[in-house]
Order: sequence, then C-alpha cells, then structure tokens
Amino acid sequence: DVKVTQSSRYLVKRTGEKVFLECVQDMDHENMFWYRQDPGLGLRLIYFSYDVKMKEKGDIPEGYSVSREKKERFSLILESASTNQTSMYLCASSSSREGYTFGSGTRLTVV
Amino acid sequence: DQQVKQNSPSLSVQEGRISILNCDYTNSMFDYFLWYKKYPAEGPTFLISISSIKDKNEDGRFTVFLNKSAKHLSLHIVPSQPGDSAVYFCAASPRGTGNQFYFGTGTSLTVIP
Repeated sequence: DVKVTQSSRYLVKRTGEKVFLECVQDMDHENMFWYRQDPGLGLRLIYFSYDVKMKEKGDIPEGYSVSREKKERFSLILESASTNQTSMYLCASSSSREGYTFGSGTRLTVV
Repeated sequence: DQQVKQNSPSLSVQEGRISILNCDYTNSMFDYFLWYKKYPAEGPTFLISISSIKDKNEDGRFTVFLNKSAKHLSLHIVPSQPGDSAVYFCAASPRGTGNQFYFGTGTSLTVIP
C-alpha cells in the first residue's frame, strides 16, 4: 500500500521556535507538495518540488522554507513560528496528473 | 484570488437520497479536475477525476459532471450513505503546468441516517 508519512500527527510549539515538519513517501514520486488547510480557506499551496534539491514557491510561502535533499523526503520549515501558522499541514506526492496521495496531516498549534 | 470555488460550506442529505456538490472555476486554462474526500484528522483521499475532453465520468455511486461553458462541475452521490459524511474538495489543474492543482474551500457533507 503506497504511503505518504508525516512524522507527527499533533505538535504544539512556542512562538519564535524553529519548527520542522517531515514528510516521507515510498512511491518514488518526483513531485512533492506542502499545503495548509484552514476553515473557510480550503487547501493552500505553500511550496512544492519537482525534483531533488529543487523547490518552487506556492501561493503562501511567506514564513516558510523547504528542503528536499533526497527524493523521498520533503521537509517544511517554519523559521520562527507565529500564532497565525497554527493550522493543519498536509504533505502530498504525485508522479502524474492523476492526482496526489496525501499524508494524514500534522495539526500544528503555536502558542 | 480563489480560482476554484465551492460556494456551499455545508450540505445535509437524508440517507438514500442524492447528494449534489458544486464547484465553480474561473481559469479557462483548467483542463483536469479532481474530487477529494476528507475525514477529520486524516489526509484527503482521491475520489474521482474528469478531463476537459469529457462532460461526465462515473465510478459506482459517484458521478462527476463538467460544464465547460459555465466553468462548473458537480459531484453526484447516489444513493448517499452515512459513511459519505466528510468534507469534499474539488481541485483543478491548468494545462501545461504538470501536477499543480488548485483546491476549492470544501463542502462538508452530512448524510443523515
């Protein structure tokens, strides 16, 4: 069964902390994505990557960075967490336009 | 600016009846559309897709209709079951952009037993 695994289901961090959200896929997909889901706003694209060491900004990249050192792993970094980054974070991967496989999500609360 | 819109945040339907979820888009470059289903505390799962060369695609109880002139698509679930209660997202991809999808805001469907 193909999988996208996000390292944490729930996280609580303090304002100003550096936060790492990890995502690993076992499908050998080239493309990986980070979204955040907020009520009334749907899924908004933060960053995506079509290849190792490659990254592209999505619609809301401010306050975030990413790292893709290996094909299977795509990390989202909050350089200095703020309360407005409290959200559900979803990682996805794909190899074609058939669609994404999503991870289970990380519910991040910044206090 | 939201390019994919789901104007109904919620919908309640009796078990056994039809559920119709609607989605509108503004970008005429969109040529591939997906519906995802999401349960609380889980990631979205793929439900059904449609390419702009078609106007209908069917998979069991789920049918997606595409009206390109109106820039509108809809998901029909017949018959609705309590296990269908979830948030449904439509997503659209512009031609020539590979795998990037734009998502709607979601519609929360409740199927009442």
